[in-house]
Amino acid sequence: AVQLVESGGGLVQPKESLKISCAASGFTFSNAAMYWVRQAPGKGLEWVARIRTKPNNYATYYADSVKGRFTISRDDSKSMVYLQMDNLKTEDTAMYYCTAGGGYPEYWGQGVMVTVSS
Amino acid sequence: NIVMTQSPKSMSISVGDRVTMNCKASQNVGNNIAWYQQKPGQSPKLLIYYASNRYTGVPDRFTGGGYGTDFTLTINSVQAEDAAFYYCQRIYNSPNTFGAGTKLELK
Repeated sequence: AVQLVESGGGLVQPKESLKISCAASGFTFSNAAMYWVRQAPGKGLEWVARIRTKPNNYATYYADSVKGRFTISRDDSKSMVYLQMDNLKTEDTAMYYCTAGGGYPEYWGQGVMVTVSS
Repeated sequence: NIVMTQSPKSMSISVGDRVTMNCKASQNVGNNIAWYQQKPGQSPKLLIYYASNRYTGVPDRFTGGGYGTDFTLTINSVQAEDAAFYYCQRIYNSPNTFGAGTKLELK
């Protein structure tokens, strides 16, 4: 069965950094684009970042709200995807979902909570 | 950047009714739209991809349509378990923007 398991969330102060991870299994990870999607408490879904596959040069894309502060990366040998979050702001507080698929997010993890507060 | 506008924001429907919700893209996205269902406390679930393709295991009462800038998700004979938030998303090309969602409540 497909599994996406996020980890590394927690409480951090504004301007601090945090790296969250996602372990994938049950599908051919190296063939899948990987995404991060977040959801602030009581709000809708917000796409955060996408990383493509090796044949597509691991191209990355970011929402304007995180560009220059967040970095998505992947390790195909470990079936892992990461989101390095720097200079965190209170408005980054959200549940962060790891998702995977071809041209669209097909599989979703259960999410990891990131809280940015002083 | 593309803006995805969903309407209505919420709707209250009776079991057995037919419901249609809308998603409008600010520019032509072809058929590059997906629809997701999210229930409280759960992760989103993929319903429809490339505008009209029903995902594996999704009941056939869910139908997606549209092309270009205007898209619809129709639920025929709504069931109690369909009460949820529904989101459209621009797919294939980034940014993969979501709409703000439509809340479907059952009377």
